Amino acid sequence: RKEVEQDPGPFNVPEGATVAFNCTYSNSASQSFFWYRQDCRKEPKLLMSVYSSGNEDGRFTAQLNRASQYISLLIRDSKLSDSATYLCVVNNRGGNTGFQKLVFGTGTRLLVSP
Amino acid sequence: GAVVSQHPSRVICKSGTSVKIECRSLDFQATTMFWYRQFPKQSLMLMATSNEGSKATYEQGVEKDKFLINHASLTLSTLTVTSAHPEDSSFYICSAQLTSGEQFFGPGTRLTVL
Repeated sequence: RKEVEQDPGPFNVPEGATVAFNCTYSNSASQSFFWYRQDCRKEPKLLMSVYSSGNEDGRFTAQLNRASQYISLLIRDSKLSDSATYLCVVNNRGGNTGFQKLVFGTGTRLLVSP
Repeated sequence: GAVVSQHPSRVICKSGTSVKIECRSLDFQATTMFWYRQFPKQSLMLMATSNEGSKATYEQGVEKDKFLINHASLTLSTLTVTSAHPEDSSFYICSAQLTSGEQFFGPGTRLTVL
């Protein structure tokens, strides 16, 4: 089983639609959680951190359910520029070294059409 | 946000040659940098954790003698792919970690081995 699992999509939505992505993680000791955005052939960029209380940044809302080991991202009023791959990322403390280690999901592809 | 650069952005080389990739944190010092690899349509996979002034910590399955990492200063880490083969063709991305734990990614290096 992958440490971080996401539906690869693609999700095809019209402009203005609301779309939700889900993600599950297997390591109950995971410490922090993020959504990253990755455009084609580019590096990932941090979209937002995810907190248990839920957090919102403009049109984006993230939720974390530690009991279910489940993370979600909601995008409202989709824009064409939202088309990208959204990566669910968890931060684990790595092995014997104690170093922090980001584990990436394979990403969910979003295509927003006019 | 913090800025991380990588050089070169793209490299094409013959099988058997070695390729060096540089990762620099431009406006902050990073005691820890990370090297990732991403094959097409796959997630980023952590290769190694690079610590300034000490040996890198490699992930399981990553050959330390093939992927040489040097982190000689707080702003520079290098990854050398030795005796590259076509199967090493991939997108190599570094990240640098702030003391807060947040990671910022470089723009990536696309390696093609002929």
